[in-house]
Amino acid sequence: NAGVTQTPKFQVLKTGQSMTLQCAQDMNHNSMYWYRQDPGMGLRLIYYSASEGTTDKGEVPNGYNVSRLNKREFSLRLESAAPSQTSVYFCASNGSGGWGRRTEAFFGQGTRLTVV
Amino acid sequence: AQSVTQLGSHVSVSEGALVLLRCNYSSSVPPYLFWYVQYPNQGLQLLLKYTTGATLVKGINGFEAEFKKSETSFHLTKPSAHMSDAAEYFCAVSDRPVFNKFYFGSGTKLNVKP
Repeated sequence: NAGVTQTPKFQVLKTGQSMTLQCAQDMNHNSMYWYRQDPGMGLRLIYYSASEGTTDKGEVPNGYNVSRLNKREFSLRLESAAPSQTSVYFCASNGSGGWGRRTEAFFGQGTRLTVV
Repeated sequence: AQSVTQLGSHVSVSEGALVLLRCNYSSSVPPYLFWYVQYPNQGLQLLLKYTTGATLVKGINGFEAEFKKSETSFHLTKPSAHMSDAAEYFCAVSDRPVFNKFYFGSGTKLNVKP
């Protein structure tokens, strides 16, 4: 039972490089999220996708783009990485989709990104 | 937008002592409420959640939390701390309308002393 799978687990980028963080869930969830975690700041929402084919900005979207490739996959792209994007990135999903079908968010193991 | 406040970024207790981690939220409509635990270099794992019904919620590893609407609080407790409870704990809320958007507190690191 894989749940939410993120790749890669670790990455070091040089300033200005680009990369895509991959996320896939096997729970048939409608909603998917990307968060970043920084010390003392909890988790901040970057982008989310309420359902396949839709994406919306969260609290801290600048410098990022996302793609909801299909119901299972939701990727996060850094077009031109900056040191301020050094963080731990978490993908999550949940089974929202109607009254009485609420679930908690399920998280991946995280991607530790360092931008030098 | 919702906001979640966790009082105390670091809490230290002795093994066997009561654990109390505080969480307050801002909302005029009671949201769904969650506590997550994060062990070093791992993702977040659900401890417990409140959606509807009984306001005292029991979770895994002996933790429980009580939803108090009048105080807009959802504090996490455990009667007797164990060394294995050392971790970071996050309170989260989500709005009741159609879409679940989760808002997290800044986290509380629990240290358990022998």
